[in-house]
Amino acid sequence: DTEVTQTPKHLVMGMTNKKSLKCEQHMGHRAMYWYKQKAKKPPELMFVYSYEKLSINESVPSRFSPECPNSSLLNLHLHALQPEDSALYLCASSLSHGETQYFGPGTRLLVL
Amino acid sequence: AQSVSQHNHHVILSEAASLELGCNYSYGGTVNLFWYVQYPGQHLQLLLKYFSGDPLVKGIKGFEAEFIKSKFSFNLRKPSVQWSDTAEYFCAVRDTGFQKLVFGTGTRLLVSP
Repeated sequence: DTEVTQTPKHLVMGMTNKKSLKCEQHMGHRAMYWYKQKAKKPPELMFVYSYEKLSINESVPSRFSPECPNSSLLNLHLHALQPEDSALYLCASSLSHGETQYFGPGTRLLVL
Repeated sequence: AQSVSQHNHHVILSEAASLELGCNYSYGGTVNLFWYVQYPGQHLQLLLKYFSGDPLVKGIKGFEAEFIKSKFSFNLRKPSVQWSDTAEYFCAVRDTGFQKLVFGTGTRLLVSP
């Protein structure tokens, strides 16, 4: 298995909802990442997990809460989001932090 | 903080034309360099990367890039583009100290048949 999978592909949520994004890889990678990509913009790093521990938080608002329950899974819990949080959320993984990153297809999020 | 510049935001070429996309970065330390491609409706895919060694690196689908340290550049080239190369191309740089991957703003390439 040589890919990063993300679910759901699309998500529409209201500002009072709680939802979660899921990312999974079975490549034995020990670093996993969340990026946010707005339309016509490059991906911007949000979080980095290395060996299931949060190693980088790029000053992301607390309404985004990452979780890494095991080495294959990465979640992003969403609560009380704003319309400006609408974007494509990308997950990536690498063998270890600092190695080449491989990206999933993303979850396209729309906040109403 | 490091930054990555891609000066060509949109490029339009005819099939069989040669391609060169510019990428410059601002960081004086040791860096790893990448080109990623995002085809319409698809996820980011790695085209090629440079860590060390030969500054001319070859990637998938006939792409190559040259690292010129003195110019802080990592330009992407392809001698003859195809319609299927229509995509958005991102240059990315990671400094080996902070380990953060920073993307350029991207170049949208349209290849007309």
